Amino acid sequence: KAGVTQTPRYLIKTRGQQVTLSCSPISGHRSVSWYQQTPGQGLQFLFEYFSETQRNKGNFPGRFSGRQFSNSRSEMNVSTLELGDSALYLCASRPTTGFSYEQYFGPGTRLTVT
Amino acid sequence: AQTVTQSQPEMSVQEAETVTLSCTYDTSENNYYLFWYKQPPSRQMILVIRQEAYKQQNATENRFSVNFQKAAKSFSLKISDSQLGDTAMYFCAFMNLQGAQKLVFGQGTRLTINP
Repeated sequence: KAGVTQTPRYLIKTRGQQVTLSCSPISGHRSVSWYQQTPGQGLQFLFEYFSETQRNKGNFPGRFSGRQFSNSRSEMNVSTLELGDSALYLCASRPTTGFSYEQYFGPGTRLTVT
Repeated sequence: AQTVTQSQPEMSVQEAETVTLSCTYDTSENNYYLFWYKQPPSRQMILVIRQEAYKQQNATENRFSVNFQKAAKSFSLKISDSQLGDTAMYFCAFMNLQGAQKLVFGQGTRLTINP
C-alpha cells in the first residue's frame, strides 16, 4: 500500500495570509490526525478527523481548522498566519477496525512564515 | 493530562554497540499504548515499536526491544547491534485509549551512531 502523502512539501507564506495543507491517508484508513512540530514546543496534537467529523481537538486557536472528505483525504487550514506558525506539519492515519492504534505518518509539510 | 519525559536530549554510541533510550510517563489511566518513533534527517516519522499496557511481555522488533515497567511508568528502548542508519531523533509517545486517542510525545532523544 502507498503510504501517507502530504502536499505541498514546502511552503513559504507571509504574515496575515492563510494556507491550506493536504493529506491523503493510507488506503482504508479512516482516521486522520494532524500534529505540529516546532523546536520549542515539540510535537503537539492539532486535531483528529474520522468519517468527515472532527473527533478530537488540541489546544490551538481557532485560526487552525480542518476538514475531511468522503474519501478520507484531509485538509488543514491556518488563517491569519503568524511567525510562530512556522513549523513542520505532520499528518498521520490509522486504521479504525480491530485493535490497531498505530499512527502512520506522512513526510510532513514544512511551513515558513515570513 | 498525560506527560512524557525523555531525560536524554542526546546520545552517541559506536556502531555495533547496544544503546538504551529512557522514557517515563505520567498518567492515571490504565488502558493505554506506548510507542517509540524514529525521525531521521528526512523528517519522516517512522514507527519503531509499540507496547500495549495490558501486556506484561516486553515488545521486540528485530534489534529493537523495550523494557516496560508499568508500576514505575517507565518505557525504555534498547537498540542492539546499532547501525549507522539508526542515527535519528527518537520520540517516546503515549496514547490513552479512553477519550481522545491522540499521541502525546516526549521531547525526543537525538541518537548518533558513529562509525
